[in-house]
Amino acid sequence: AQSVTQLDSHVSVSEGTPVLLRCNYSSSYSPSLFWYVQHPNKGLQLLLKYTSAATLVKGINGFEAEFKKSETSFHLTKPSAHMSDAAEYFCVVRGNTGTASKLTFGTGTRLQVTL
Amino acid sequence: DVKVTQSSRYLVKRTGEKVFLECVQDMDHENMFWYRQDPGLGLRLIYFSYDVKMKEKGDIPEGYSVSREKKERFSLILESASTNQTSMYLCASSGAVTDTQYFGPGTRLTVL
Repeated sequence: AQSVTQLDSHVSVSEGTPVLLRCNYSSSYSPSLFWYVQHPNKGLQLLLKYTSAATLVKGINGFEAEFKKSETSFHLTKPSAHMSDAAEYFCVVRGNTGTASKLTFGTGTRLQVTL
Repeated sequence: DVKVTQSSRYLVKRTGEKVFLECVQDMDHENMFWYRQDPGLGLRLIYFSYDVKMKEKGDIPEGYSVSREKKERFSLILESASTNQTSMYLCASSGAVTDTQYFGPGTRLTVL
């Protein structure tokens, strides 16, 4: 069985400073990993995904994440936060067995961006 | 662009009522999913379907059932709504090959 742990429920940064949202995963197999973002009153949108190609994955809106097998981590980063980045972020893992690409979601990290 | 639509954004029902939540996708996706989202718990999978008339239980199926009569439509049914089913319900779909799921905007259900 696979699982993810998002280490911070809330993160607050100033506009223009770096963003780091932490995620650790557990999987019996080589996992597929995702980050999704949810803006207020909106559905979830895929930011990026890792599927055993390059370990540094670039996503939309300047976000990227690095897969580190030795640390079982998949942290999300952005060099410079923008006000529009304020949202909830979910780290997600998919094991490579079974049907219909079942995903397991973390509990979410709410990112606040202040002036 | 993939579009996943849900029949209602907000819904208020009374305890004991039968509730239908509808989801439609326009990308001919094989897989469809229903999740509920609660603060501090993330998204939890209720049911999913990998083909017409096929369904599998997710992590929290109790109190729910589903129906998939057509490929593009996946319905979530609360046979007798209870207050602990007050939540945000999200529908998603994905293709047979890709594991990326595309989400609808959600239905916020309140059971009084």
